[in-house]
Amino acid sequence: QKEVEQDPGPLSVPEGAIVSLNCTYSNSAFQYFMWYRQYSRKGPELLMYTYSSGNKEDGRFTAQVDKSSKYISLFIRDSQPSDSATYLCAMRSYSSASKIIFGSGTRLSIRP
Amino acid sequence: EAQVTQNPRYLITVTGKKLTVTCSQNMNHEYMSWYRQDPGLGLRQIYYSMNVEVTDKGDVPEGYKVSRKEKRNFPLILESPSPNQTSLYFCASSLGSSGYEQYFGPGTRLTVT
Repeated sequence: QKEVEQDPGPLSVPEGAIVSLNCTYSNSAFQYFMWYRQYSRKGPELLMYTYSSGNKEDGRFTAQVDKSSKYISLFIRDSQPSDSATYLCAMRSYSSASKIIFGSGTRLSIRP
Repeated sequence: EAQVTQNPRYLITVTGKKLTVTCSQNMNHEYMSWYRQDPGLGLRQIYYSMNVEVTDKGDVPEGYKVSRKEKRNFPLILESPSPNQTSLYFCASSLGSSGYEQYFGPGTRLTVT
C-alpha cells in the first residue's frame, strides 16, 4: 500500500465550478502537508502548505487537513481554464528529516 | 532571475554508459533534492541534501549517486544506467532545511536503451 493515495483523474469540470481534490495517507506521523500544481512539460510549483490540522486559505484556494481521518483536500473556487493542470499533494513527518512523499497527482481540466 | 537549472533537458543514452545530470540554483538555498516522475507513480524522491556535504537517501536511491560539494550545485550521477531508469527527472531546492517550500527545475527527460 502506498503511503499517499491520490485519485489520478482526469477530472473535468465547467468553468466557475468549485473543485475538490483529495489525498489520503497512512502514516500518522505526517505533520506538513503541501499542494503543488504542475502544468504540462513544466516542473511542479508550490501552491500552499499547512502544518498539522485545520484550514488555510489563499485567494481562490483553500487547503484542508483532517488528521483524524488522514485526509487532506484542496478546494478551488471559481475555477478558470488556467487552473487546468495536474495537482500533486505532498507530505512529510516532523521526525524524518526532510524526506518528502508525493501523491501520484490528479489531472484537472476546466472546460470554458 | 531566481531559478533552478538542469542540464541536459533531454538525453538518450545506452545501458551502462555513465552519465551526469547537473543541477544548479542561484537562490542560496540550503536544501536540494532529486526526484523522478513516472506515469501512475508520481514524484519519488531519489536523494536529498540539507546542506553542503550532507546528503541522504530518499525513497528510490538504488542506481544513483549524488554529491554536494558546493551550496549551489547538486549533480545526479548514474554510474551504469539501465532501461528502468528511463524517466523524467526533476531537481528542486528550498531555502530552509525542511524542504517543504521547494522550487523545481524544468526537468530532464532521460531515455536509456
